[in-house]
Amino acid sequence: DGGITQSPKYLFRKEGQNVTLSCEQNLNHDAMYWYRQDPGQGLRLIYYSQIVNDFQKGDIAEGYSVSREKKESFPLTVTSAQKNPTAFYLCASSMRGGPNEQFFGPGTRLTVL
Amino acid sequence: AQTVTQSQPEMSVQEAETVTLSCTYDTSESDYYLFWYKQPPSRQMILVIRQEAYKQQNATENRFSVNFQKAAKSFSLKISDSQLGDAAMYFCAYSATRDDKIIFGKGTRLHILP
Repeated sequence: DGGITQSPKYLFRKEGQNVTLSCEQNLNHDAMYWYRQDPGQGLRLIYYSQIVNDFQKGDIAEGYSVSREKKESFPLTVTSAQKNPTAFYLCASSMRGGPNEQFFGPGTRLTVL
Repeated sequence: AQTVTQSQPEMSVQEAETVTLSCTYDTSESDYYLFWYKQPPSRQMILVIRQEAYKQQNATENRFSVNFQKAAKSFSLKISDSQLGDAAMYFCAYSATRDDKIIFGKGTRLHILP
């Protein structure tokens, strides 16, 4: 079955630690996205990538980093510089040449202890 | 800058009744797409319906239909014969045709009353 997987589902981190969230897709999509979801805030774009080895900052990129070494994978690192990292993180992918429907993964809930 | 506004943070509807969720957007583009996404308690985002701005006919998907008013920049979602499984957060979203990015509203939480 084609789709997007995110792991882990729940993640706990101590303050001051970096943590990496995984996102993998087998839909052969070129574009991938990371969103942060907070109560009452909707989805806010962190980073997106339209092709391998290239990515752009979204609206709230500070304190986050990404890489796109493979078409299927777009991991997100939440660094210690992110002041309020506790949130629900969603990964999505789509075909290029927008706007196309974005397909979403099941999400990762990150909690900083 | 493009914006999407959902003015109803929460709504409730009786099962089997009809409900309309409101959405307005702001853009200077003439060519764009609009979407409604559903996020049930599982938090898995699902596309409900999409509308191309150049099409005058309102999109319909089974019990879900939209009222697209381009001049007013309004894009409401109507759910007919509401079912318990329709309970979810609904997000209105916009994307310019030339762009891969989607801009989301803050969402409307829909409760279905049995």
